[in-house]
Amino acid sequence: RKEVEQDPGPFNVPEGATVAFNCTYSNSASQSFFWYRQDCRKEPKLLMSVYSSGNEDGRFTAQLNRASQYISLLIRDSKLSDSATYLCVVNPFSGGYNKLIFGAGTRLAVHP
Amino acid sequence: DGGITQSPKYLFRKEGQNVTLSCEQNLNHDAMYWYRQDPGQGLRLIYYSQIVNDFQKGDIAEGYSVSREKKESFPLTVTSAQKNPTAFYLCASSIGASGPHPGDTQYFGPGTRLTVL
Repeated sequence: RKEVEQDPGPFNVPEGATVAFNCTYSNSASQSFFWYRQDCRKEPKLLMSVYSSGNEDGRFTAQLNRASQYISLLIRDSKLSDSATYLCVVNPFSGGYNKLIFGAGTRLAVHP
Repeated sequence: DGGITQSPKYLFRKEGQNVTLSCEQNLNHDAMYWYRQDPGQGLRLIYYSQIVNDFQKGDIAEGYSVSREKKESFPLTVTSAQKNPTAFYLCASSIGASGPHPGDTQYFGPGTRLTVL
């Protein structure tokens, strides 16, 4: 089982739609969680950090369910510019070091 | 502007050559990291450094080497021992590696795309 698993997609949605991605992680001791956005052939950029039960930033909402070991990302009112790959990232904080574990990403394509 | 820079953006290597990828940050971050990304895969950690003059192997360190002589710089050398070096290489930094929030939030440079000819 992978440490961080995501549905690769692609999720094809029309502008204005609401779309949700789920991500599961295997290490129950994980302490912090992130969503990064990665455009084609570019570096990942931090979208949101999740340190407690959830976080909201404008159209984006992240929720954490520690009991079931999953994190979700909800995007409301999708824009064309939201088209990208979304990476789920977990910090198991093993050995006292910050070694982030990256999922392979979920592709989102927003169409007119 | 504060940030992380990587050079070159594109690099071509012949078989048997060693090449060095540059990574510089002016964010005053203690921790720095090197990742490799292959198509359709997540980022994999090559090496990381928590402080100057200290670094540890990540999950796929074979065929790579690093140094951390200055806080701002963390160059990666891809040696001829690396069997499949063609990939997208990403450098990242964070405030510190001693604990989560906010020390573990990582910020990435623009990457170097390495191709073996």
